[in-house]
Amino acid sequence: GQQVMQIPQYQHVQEGEDFTTYCNSSTTLSNIQWYKQRPGGHPVFLIQLVKSGEVKKQKRLTFQFGEAKKNSSLHITATQTTDVGTYFCAGADSWGKFQFGAGTQVVVTP
Amino acid sequence: EAGVVQSPRYKIIEKKQPVAFWCNPISGHNTLYWYLQNLGQGPELLIRYENEEAVDDSQLPKDRFSAERLKGVDSTLKIQPAELGDSAVYLCASSLVLGKEQFFGPGTRLTVL
Repeated sequence: GQQVMQIPQYQHVQEGEDFTTYCNSSTTLSNIQWYKQRPGGHPVFLIQLVKSGEVKKQKRLTFQFGEAKKNSSLHITATQTTDVGTYFCAGADSWGKFQFGAGTQVVVTP
Repeated sequence: EAGVVQSPRYKIIEKKQPVAFWCNPISGHNTLYWYLQNLGQGPELLIRYENEEAVDDSQLPKDRFSAERLKGVDSTLKIQPAELGDSAVYLCASSLVLGKEQFFGPGTRLTVL
């Protein structure tokens, strides 16, 4: 069945630095969604990517969907303490079923 | 507009006891999801509803878990009997239609002793 892997599992970042987290699927995806979960909170939708090679930006966050629609990345520039949390990708198959990755937990050091 | 509402927020029970969770999705959202989230893991789908129809329940342990979504609005997830391994956060989410952004509720944290 479909498997979605995220790396790294943990990301320690100095405030002001950039980092990238990756999401890889064992199968071709219909689309992919990204969510952020703050400590003690619930997942909050960030973005959805649908097209092959699609790139979307939200302020300091850049999301990319791979050409083969099997991988995606989230790049954050000039990390801030407000970026703390766990970032999940959720890949959808052709039936619309979403599989969440295990997430990348981001810790920011001031 | 109110978000997804879940109750209770916390529940502590002894093993072999029954427990029920309630979810009220965002008004007008046809798709409703129940997820289980263990510490340090991503949400795992238990069941998905399109209106009142359960269209994906392949991950639901049917020997002890049951769910319903009467009238295609709010939904209840039940566990009977609960086991120690059921301790987790149970999240409800809804979306306007299948495939669109999911709005999550605050979750119910279940502890089975």
